[in-house]
Order: sequence, then C-alpha cells, then structure tokens
Amino acid sequence: QVQLQESGPGPVKPSETLSLTCTVSNGPIRHYLWAWLRQPPGKGLEWLGSIYHNGTTTHNPSLKSRLTMSVDTSNNQVSLKMSSMRPADTAVYYCARSPFFDYYFDYWGRGTLVTVPS
Amino acid sequence: QSALTQAASVSGSPGQSITISCTGSSSDIGNYNLVSWYQQHPGKAPKLIIFEVTKRPSGVSQRFSASKSGNTASLKISGLRSEDEADYYCCSHAGMKTPWVFGGGTRVTVL
Repeated sequence: QVQLQESGPGPVKPSETLSLTCTVSNGPIRHYLWAWLRQPPGKGLEWLGSIYHNGTTTHNPSLKSRLTMSVDTSNNQVSLKMSSMRPADTAVYYCARSPFFDYYFDYWGRGTLVTVPS
Repeated sequence: QSALTQAASVSGSPGQSITISCTGSSSDIGNYNLVSWYQQHPGKAPKLIIFEVTKRPSGVSQRFSASKSGNTASLKISGLRSEDEADYYCCSHAGMKTPWVFGGGTRVTVL
C-alpha cells in the first residue's frame, strides 16, 4: 500500500517561508505527478501545484510566484516551499499522487496543519 | 470562490438515494472526461471514490455511481448509510495550465 507522509513546521510566522516535505513509501516516485493541495479550516480543497519525477512543475496561477517545488527521487521525497506566508495561508496542507495524464488523486497524505498567526 | 459549483448540503434518510451535482464549464467538465469525486470524513484526508467520470477504484462500494452530461457531473449514493455522512468534492481537469479545479464541497447528512 502506497503511503504519503507530510512533514512540516506547525506554526509559521507571517512573511516567513513555509517548507514541507512529502515522503513516499511502498511505491515509486517515477511516472506519477505529485501534487500539493490545501484546505483552510472549514473550507474546500485548493490545488497549489504539482511536479513530475523529472522536475517539471505546474503551479496554480494565483500562487505561482510564491511556490517552489522539488523532487528527490533518491529519497522518494517531494518538497514544497511557499514564501511570504500570511494568516490566510493557514490550512491543512496535503500531498497527493496522480497517475500521469489521468488527473485524479489516488493516494493522499494525512495532511499537516500549518498555522500562520495574525 | 470555487471553479466548480456544488450545493452546500444534501440530506437523506437511511436507504434512500441522493444525487450531488457539480457544475462547471466547457473549459473543464464539458471538455474532458476527467472528473473525479472525493469523500472526506471530518479530520481525515480526502478519499478517491470516482475517477474518469464513472469509474470506481477497487474497494469502493457499488452504491456510489457517477455520470456526466454537458458541463455538469453528478454523484449518486444509493442505499444511504450512516457512514456515508461526509463531505464530497468534485474535481475536474481544466487543461495543462490548471490541471485540477475543485468544487466547494457538499456535506451529506444522513437523517
């Protein structure tokens, strides 16, 4: 069973950069898209960005300038950095896997809550 | 504001059937057979229950079925059970620059 586990800092101060890592177990990094999504408390899901195993990225246009994503195939990890964090970025952040060209998320991490205090 | 439109809530009694609609546009639902649906229980990660408009992953109950007509996708839950009480999100591919767009979610309540 493929497992995804996000790790993150918990609280992040306003204007700081968020760094998250998603570790993939029991499955390959290659030949899949790896996405980051978030869900503010009590609200819906938002796709942030995605990365292919070769490093090709796609970003949500509303966040493009703030996001940096990377993939480490040696350690089966994908990473997200989001700059200039603000209180509105408070959310549960998920990583998820999508079969390439099929565009659905078949495996999700448990999510990690990131809080940006006002 | 979500790209896809869903009703905020739907309710039904045990054993009944309910349908959740998801309305998009010709740029997403209407242009691709790449609609997926996710079930999310409180405090849990979303779970894939439908992909490619009508397909169920292994292990997902046959009580869940889905369809698409034009710019609107629909999820039907038959024989409603208490464990179906959850939030349901639709999602569609919307092109290479925006691979995924979501609906705002529908809360299903079992009366």
